[in-house]
Amino acid sequence: QTVVTQEPSFSVSPGGTVTLTCGLSSGSVSTSYYPSWYQQTPGQAPRTLIYSTNTRSSGVPDRFSGSILGNKAALTITGAQADDASDYYCVLYMGSGSWVFGGGTKLTVL
Amino acid sequence: QVQLQESGPGLVKPSETLSLTCTVSGGSISGYYWSWIRQPAGKGLEWIGRIYTSGSTNYNPSLKSRVTMSVDTSKNQFSLKLSSVTAADTAVYYCARGPYCGSDCYFENWGQGTLVTVSS
Repeated sequence: QTVVTQEPSFSVSPGGTVTLTCGLSSGSVSTSYYPSWYQQTPGQAPRTLIYSTNTRSSGVPDRFSGSILGNKAALTITGAQADDASDYYCVLYMGSGSWVFGGGTKLTVL
Repeated sequence: QVQLQESGPGLVKPSETLSLTCTVSGGSISGYYWSWIRQPAGKGLEWIGRIYTSGSTNYNPSLKSRVTMSVDTSKNQFSLKLSSVTAADTAVYYCARGPYCGSDCYFENWGQGTLVTVSS
C-alpha cells in the first residue's frame, strides 16, 4: 500500500513561516489527490484546516495556506503563533473510494 | 452546524466485536457520506471506511475483512462493527462527515472521539 509521508517534527519561531509537506512513497502528489490538512491538539479531535489543496475551511485564519510544491502537497503557516503548536495531518484520496493519512507532523513553536 | 457524537462500549474483549454508533445532530444524515477514523494512543490517524446514506460502503483494504458499516436514517445514526478485535485495535475512534469527492473531498466535521480499549 502507498505510504503518505510527512516530516515527523518541525520547529518554527513565533512570527516565522513554516512549510509542512505531504508526499507519496512512490509518485507525485497532484490536485487529483484532493490533499486536505487537519490540526490536532492533545486530547482533541482533529480540526479541518485546508481541503482540495488550497481551500481554507470556515473560520481558519488566512495565515494557513495550502499548495502543491514540487511533487508534494504543502501547508504553509505564515506568522506562526504559539497556539499553532499542534500535530498536523494530511490525507490523500487514492481513488476507488480510499483515503490514506500521513503519519503527522508535530509542530513546535518556540 | 452539524455535530457528531460517538457512543458505545469503552472496553471490548479480544476476539469479540467492537460496535460503535455515531449520532448526527443539527442536520440530516441523508445525502451525505460518513466515515470512521481511528487513532491509537500516541500514533497517527487511520481511515477505516465510509458509508453513504444509501448503504453503499468503501472500506480500508487493510481492515476490510473485519469491518461492517451501516446507517439508520430514521435515527440519524450510522454505525461501525469491527470483528475479531485484538489489542492493536485499541484506539480513539472518531466519526466524521465526508468525504464526498465532487468538487471537494475531505472530512468536514468530526465527532469528539471515543476511546475503545481491547482487553480481557
